[in-house]
Amino acid sequence: EDQVTQSPEALRLQEGESSSLNCSYTVSGLRGLFWYRQDPGKGPEFLFTLYSAGEEKEKERLKATLTKKESFLHITAPKPEDSATYLCAVPSGGYQKVTFGTGTKLQVIP
Amino acid sequence: NAGVTQTPKFRVLKTGQSMTLLCAQDMNHEYMYWYRQDPGMGLRLIHYSVGEGTTAKGEVPDGYNVSRLKKQNFLLGLESAAPSQTSVYFCASTYSGELFFGEGSRLTVL
Repeated sequence: EDQVTQSPEALRLQEGESSSLNCSYTVSGLRGLFWYRQDPGKGPEFLFTLYSAGEEKEKERLKATLTKKESFLHITAPKPEDSATYLCAVPSGGYQKVTFGTGTKLQVIP
Repeated sequence: NAGVTQTPKFRVLKTGQSMTLLCAQDMNHEYMYWYRQDPGMGLRLIHYSVGEGTTAKGEVPDGYNVSRLKKQNFLLGLESAAPSQTSVYFCASTYSGELFFGEGSRLTVL
């Protein structure tokens, strides 16, 4: 059974304090790993797709990396507007099922 | 483009009542999904569809039914609502990559 585990559940950072979020996964035949951002009362918003170990992608203060067992979302010098819940997900059976982790709730304090 | 549109956005039901949530996408996507999101549980897959006229069970299908009569629409039905079905429901679609989400439908069952 495919599993996605995210840690920590919650993270509180001071503005400018860099950190990383973790997503570990167990899936047969990885077809990609997604990162999403979710703001309160909204649907998840796509950030990145990573397909192979060693791949990295960046967007503003966010950088996602992938190994054979886990992915990291690095946040460099975060701002209060980066506060959100960050979700990772993996597809299985083609795209018949997409399994999500429970997310990391990030709060960035001014 | 509207993307993924869910209706209604809010609904309050009494135990035993029935209702249907509608999801419409204008991106010509083959795959569509219904998730529920509860605090601490993350996004859990209820049902999904890999194309017009097809549906399949996800992780938590009990108490729900779905139909995909037209490619652009995916309906989620509750035949006899229960308080345990109080949740936020998200519809999503994809061609073969990242999922696009609707804004969510908040359902309360009293």
